[in-house]
Amino acid sequence: DAGVIQSPRHEVTEMGQEVTLRCKPISGHDYLFWYRQTMMRGLELLIYFNNNVPIDDSGMPEDRFSAKMPNASFSTLKIQPSEPRDSAVYFCASSRTGGNSPLHFGNGTRLTVT
Amino acid sequence: GENVEQHPSTLSVQEGDSAVIKCTYSDSASNYFPWYKQELGKRPQLIIDIRSNVGEKKDQRIAVTLNKTAKHFSLHITETQPEDSAVYFCAASKGNTDKLIFGTGTRLQVFP
Repeated sequence: DAGVIQSPRHEVTEMGQEVTLRCKPISGHDYLFWYRQTMMRGLELLIYFNNNVPIDDSGMPEDRFSAKMPNASFSTLKIQPSEPRDSAVYFCASSRTGGNSPLHFGNGTRLTVT
Repeated sequence: GENVEQHPSTLSVQEGDSAVIKCTYSDSASNYFPWYKQELGKRPQLIIDIRSNVGEKKDQRIAVTLNKTAKHFSLHITETQPEDSAVYFCAASKGNTDKLIFGTGTRLQVFP
């Protein structure tokens, strides 16, 4: 089991550019979560999917953020256009049966927007 | 609303001493309480969890206690070692949803 795989590990981009973060959950896990981590706000849940369907996107900060899960083994989080305040570490996590079961985090993508 | 408070924000102990981190939650429907350890530059990793039908759970040097009436739960680490140094996060499930609400984290430093 390779665990949750995220790419890229680091992303540096200029304000206004589009950023796409990618995630491959653990096979057999029905739930996928996108979190953002900053010093100021800690770990924030942005959106989560169950069986590829978005269930709750109330944590998505604004319309510049969008997430998709076209199949059970792939999800993307897109920011368009990016802003300096989007700089953070973005974690993808998956779990077998939802928020009442252990979350397995990927290694995260450190995003820097200049 | 959903809220998980965690204390202290930083904790320094001598190797061999015990460390206790406390969390309180506001949602009376919360029924799952995991703890995560995050080393510098790494991902959060589950170290122990407890469900609402249990008051205490232990795994070697780590234990978690839950008081549902008071809505608080605690992480206890005994015989601390330098490799225990990390940021620890508590979390609580949000009612009848699949969401986990995380505390703000405790930076634990264990001095040799």
